[in-house]
Parts: sequence; structure tokens; C-alpha cells
Amino acid sequence: QVQLVQSGVEVKKPGASVKVSCKASGYIFTDFGITWVRQAPGQGLEWLGWISAYNGHTISAQKFQGRVTMTTDTSTRTAYMDLGRLRSDDTAVYYCARAPPYDSSGYGQDNWFDPWGQGTLVTVSS
Amino acid sequence: EIILTQSPATLSLSPGERATLSCRASQSVSRYLAWYQQKPGQAPSLLIYDASNRATGIPARFSGSGSGTDFTLTINSLEPEDFAVYYCQQRHNWPPITFGQGTRLEI
Repeated sequence: QVQLVQSGVEVKKPGASVKVSCKASGYIFTDFGITWVRQAPGQGLEWLGWISAYNGHTISAQKFQGRVTMTTDTSTRTAYMDLGRLRSDDTAVYYCARAPPYDSSGYGQDNWFDPWGQGTLVTVSS
Repeated sequence: EIILTQSPATLSLSPGERATLSCRASQSVSRYLAWYQQKPGQAPSLLIYDASNRATGIPARFSGSGSGTDFTLTINSLEPEDFAVYYCQQRHNWPPITFGQGTRLEI
């Protein structure tokens, strides 16, 4: 079955960087993209960005531009999200989810965020 | 940026009742709207896509409707496992992709 498995809990100090991985299985990795979404404790969902595993094209939310780097390794079917210059308000659960391969995809279930990884808790604290 | 506003923030119902959740967009998103369910301690999961299509394996008691700016998620005859938080999401005009703030469905 289609599955995304993320890396484990991270504890970082303010100003540091964190790199979260997301390993895909059960589908052709390069036929889709990966999106990253975070959820602060007790809060809603916030979109960070998207990367096409097909061509490596990335789009990030303006709020995170310059701080977030998204990459993929097609040989290991793994996506990575690197967030730098961490602050305490970056403390959150970070999710990856399978996403469409293009930024102009149309209708259809494959063009939505499905499935999601289990989440990675990132705690930023001095 | 398209803002999605969900209402109510919390909905208190009993098993067997019908739930009606609303999502309003600040500008038209056509039918590029999805609904996700999130249970405590779990990742969100896709329920409805393209405003009205049930995702694979989703029971028929879940239905979505709407287009443009006004959307509704209806859950008929609530089951105990349906009590969760529900989010709407749009991808019509992105970046950014945006989510509503969520509706908590509680017993």
C-alpha cells in the first residue's frame, strides 16, 4: 500500500537547522510530488511548501522562503525538508504528504494530499 | 491569499445525528476544495476531494457539496469514530495552499 514514513523526534536549539525525511513506498515516486505541512501544538494546519519528485521543482510559502529547503532523492524514494534559523514558534509536528507532480494539476484524487506521513515532532528550545 | 473560514468552531452532537460543517472561501476556488479528518494523535486523512468526491474507502455517510466560495461537509448518522477535527483546504490559487482553521466535532 502507499505509505510515507517520516524520521523521528528532533530537539533543536534556537538558530539551528532541522532536516526531516519522508520515505515513500507503494507507488512510483517520480509520478508524484511531496508537500510539507506543520501543526503547532493545539493549532491548525500550516502549509510550508511542495516539491515535484518528477522534476525537482519547488514552491514554498512566502513565510518560509529563504528558510526552507525541500529536496528529493529518487534513488532512495525519500523527500527531505530542511528548515533553518529555528525559533521557538517553529515547535510543531511536521507532516509530509503525497501531492501532485505538477503545480498546475487539475481534478482527481491523485492531485490532493493523500496519504500523509505519521508526522515528526520538532521541538525548538534553549 | 485565499482565506478559508470554517464554521462552527465546535459542533456538539450525538451518535446517530447529522453533522453539517461549513467552509467559506474569501474568493472563488471553483471546485478545488478538499476536506480532511484528523483524529487525536494522528495525521490528517483525505475525506472529500474536488468538493464532492469521496476519497477511496470513505463511507457513504460522508458527503461534500458546493462550488465557488461556499462548501459543506455533511456526515449522516454519526458513528463514534467520526468525532474528530475536520479541515477544509483549497488549491485553486496557490501558492499558498491554505487550510481552514478546523471544526471540532465532539460528542
